[in-house]
Amino acid sequence: EIVLTQSPGTLSLSPGERATLSCRASQSVSSSYLAWYQQKPGQAPRLLIYGASSRATGIPDRFSGSGSGTDFTLTISRLEPEDFAVYYCQQYGSSPTLTFGGGTKVEIK
Amino acid sequence: EVQLLESGGGLVQPGGSLRLSCAASGFTFSSYAMSWVRQAPGKGLEWVSAISGSGGSTYYADSVKGRFTISRDNSKNTLYLQMNSLRAEDTAVYYCAKDQAVVLLWFGEFYGMDVWGQGTTVTVSS
Repeated sequence: EIVLTQSPGTLSLSPGERATLSCRASQSVSSSYLAWYQQKPGQAPRLLIYGASSRATGIPDRFSGSGSGTDFTLTISRLEPEDFAVYYCQQYGSSPTLTFGGGTKVEIK
Repeated sequence: EVQLLESGGGLVQPGGSLRLSCAASGFTFSSYAMSWVRQAPGKGLEWVSAISGSGGSTYYADSVKGRFTISRDNSKNTLYLQMNSLRAEDTAVYYCAKDQAVVLLWFGEFYGMDVWGQGTTVTVSS
């Protein structure tokens, strides 16, 4: 079973700054199998990125995804007030199963 | 408007059963795979189960295999999760989510879950 480890656990940044979130897999993952979600308190998750780098419908272009193999990154180029939230990566694995990482909280500094 | 509305959550004793429902509207239900995802209080997301658009393929997390059963009624645009032998660790908010394709892996790509319900709370306690 592939384990996804997200880092850092918490990222403290100011609006306008760049956020770089990491998702590391315990084994190589196809980039076609990797997605990212945003979740705000009391809300359901929202799909941001699929296929490691394809933005979902309606997602602003300040959000971008990259990576391959075991290392994937979600980048928010300039943080807007509404971007402070928890972010999860997810991968499609064998069996099949869909595994989430533990999440990274982006908080206001 | 594309919408998912879960129901059926509540308080149940350990060892008990519960059936969750998810009513879908605003899209062709049978054309998309569906999943259940849960979130324990203060914790992260955990995928629970998925089903293809036709209902012919089902998938489960190891933590619920043999206890939970996912199903769908495409004539009623409704997704279900039958939960048996419930444990305290099953306590969570349960979300239903729509996949972007009819099966989890569509032409070699996982497209993610683009529509989510608001969640229904399941509490397993004596």
